[in-house]
Amino acid sequence: EAGVTQFPSHSVIEKGQTVTLRCDPISGHDNLYWYRRVMGKEIKFLLHFVKESKQDESGMPNNRFLAERTGGTYSTLKVQPAELEDSGVYFCASSQEHGRSAEYFGPGTRLTVL
Amino acid sequence: GQNIDQPTEMTATEGAIVQINCTYQTSGFNGLFWYQQHAGEAPTFLSYNVLDGLEEKGRFSSFLSRSKGYSYLLLKELQMKDSASYLCAVRDSNYQLIWGAGTKLIIKP
Repeated sequence: EAGVTQFPSHSVIEKGQTVTLRCDPISGHDNLYWYRRVMGKEIKFLLHFVKESKQDESGMPNNRFLAERTGGTYSTLKVQPAELEDSGVYFCASSQEHGRSAEYFGPGTRLTVL
Repeated sequence: GQNIDQPTEMTATEGAIVQINCTYQTSGFNGLFWYQQHAGEAPTFLSYNVLDGLEEKGRFSSFLSRSKGYSYLLLKELQMKDSASYLCAVRDSNYQLIWGAGTKLIIKP
């Protein structure tokens, strides 16, 4: 069974540009999560989808971040316009049952904003 | 506020045993997770505790005391490949995962 995949693995952009990150969850997992880890700090929750619906987006830092999951399969996270403080590793995870099963993580996208 | 504390770094010898502690203060509790993360890779699920006591899974065991807000991960018969960061995470009342900063474990021959 394929795990969670993320694309790209690395992205280097300039301040003010737009970047879109993609996550493909484990097949059959309705729950999809986005997390971010800024250098030297702990992983922080961004948002949670159940199928195509945003269940909890309380962790999204501001309106420059837009997450979508059209069709309830893969998800995208767009940052527009990117700022220096957006640099970090963006992880995606998926699970079968929210709150009852483990979350399985992708390898992350390392975003560097110059 | 919510807080998860774990040591920043630990060193142990190949073949030995090491215990990584985690203390937490969260708004509600719906389970505690341990993940292993090698540099540049995805965090990998190791264990889950929701009731007090010890959960054993091969060379790895995890313990939980909810009254003390405390957990530990015990690694036995350490191997060089166990060198990694170990992340403690608690699911709070909103079922969000609150993460510690991770413990970097260095295994020496």
